[in-house]
Amino acid sequence: DVKVTQSSRYLVKRTGEKVFLECVQDMDHENMFWYRQDPGLGLRLIYFSYDVKMKEKGDIPEGYSVSREKKERFSLILESASTNQTSMYLCASSFGSTGQETQYFGPGTRLLVL
Amino acid sequence: EDQVTQSPEALRLQEGESSSLNCSYTVSGLRGLFWYRQDPGKGPEFLFTLYSAGEEKEKERLKATLTKKESFLHITAPKPEDSATYLCAFPSYNTDKLIFGTGTRLQVFP
Repeated sequence: DVKVTQSSRYLVKRTGEKVFLECVQDMDHENMFWYRQDPGLGLRLIYFSYDVKMKEKGDIPEGYSVSREKKERFSLILESASTNQTSMYLCASSFGSTGQETQYFGPGTRLLVL
Repeated sequence: EDQVTQSPEALRLQEGESSSLNCSYTVSGLRGLFWYRQDPGKGPEFLFTLYSAGEEKEKERLKATLTKKESFLHITAPKPEDSATYLCAFPSYNTDKLIFGTGTRLQVFP
């Protein structure tokens, strides 16, 4: 079974704090993704990575950065958390390079920024 | 522009009352369509991938079908444990990103 894990299920942070969200997959997938999910807006892609040390901007990268030092690990960084970054954050991974592969999701991290 | 629309937004069913969820899309060239189930507070769980019009896939009480312009998720004799939000998604033709619908929230009452 594909296993994608995220470091925290719930996080509460203060405005201005630097926040790290970690994601690990155990299936040797090349591709990893970070989404946020908000009511009425669906899933929106923040950043993705097709390989170690590679990163591509998604649809809403502003205020975020990512790091992929190892194939199995993809980190999302909120440089200076703001209240409008309160959301559910979802990590996903997939195998292959055609863009048609199934993405498998982690359990999510619900972040509250006060 | 690639777009996907799911309907209805919410659906309430009595246990055993069969129904269908719709996912309609506009894309330059369809390269697959995915269905996911998402329980409250959890990540989406993969259900099906469909690649070509006419294709069908089944899993327990769920059957997914695909035409050139839409996909249906048919739920036969649902049970309360089928209550969840169902999401569809497809790869954008130009960017390889997955485009997600906003989902149908299904509630099944005993």
